[in-house]
Amino acid sequence: SQQGEEDPQALSIQEGENATMNCSYKTSINNLQWYRQNSGRGLVHLILIRSNEREKHSGRLRVTLDTSKKSSSLLITASRAADTASYFCATANNQAGTALIFGKGTTLSVSS
Amino acid sequence: DGGITQSPKYLFRKEGQNVTLSCEQNLNHDAMYWYRQDPGQGLRLIYYSQIVNDFQKGDIAEGYSVSREKKESFPLTVTSAQKNPTAFYLCASSQGGLAAPQLFFGEGSRLTVL
Repeated sequence: SQQGEEDPQALSIQEGENATMNCSYKTSINNLQWYRQNSGRGLVHLILIRSNEREKHSGRLRVTLDTSKKSSSLLITASRAADTASYFCATANNQAGTALIFGKGTTLSVSS
Repeated sequence: DGGITQSPKYLFRKEGQNVTLSCEQNLNHDAMYWYRQDPGQGLRLIYYSQIVNDFQKGDIAEGYSVSREKKESFPLTVTSAQKNPTAFYLCASSQGGLAAPQLFFGEGSRLTVL
């Protein structure tokens, strides 16, 4: 199955630092999405970037998409302890009715 | 408030028993999904449904069954044929008819086989 693969698997930083997570995928996509999951909870949608977009911002989040390299990155600026969570990228092919496929996630730990 | 409700949050099952996990949404979404999450393996798709009375197998459907008799409900049955059912199960919904729509997730159900 088409799947996003996040890198790194785990990331530990100090409050105030920036965190960068990467995602690679295999086939053509309609869009790429990033989700966040706090431990033991459901996933929450963070941001969606369409295949014809190269960069998108939402608050402290910045997402880039390089369709030629089939990769995306999520940057969290000025991180806070509350950003501690797992982050997943998700993709699907261009057909309507196709379910999202998730990667294995990056676990981010932000210490104060 | 609109959202997705999964129940129970925690469930214990003896080997050989079938169990059903409930998922209800009041978002008026056409599509619903079930994912399984194991430590270190991310989310894997079990079943999904784009419309009432229709559903498709995902990557790991063996040992599971679903029904979609009502738009707001998409229960998942973990049967005794599922060899390793201990996991965290997540239900989601989305607006139907779109390519790669945003998903809205419930809080999950954790199943443990004793």
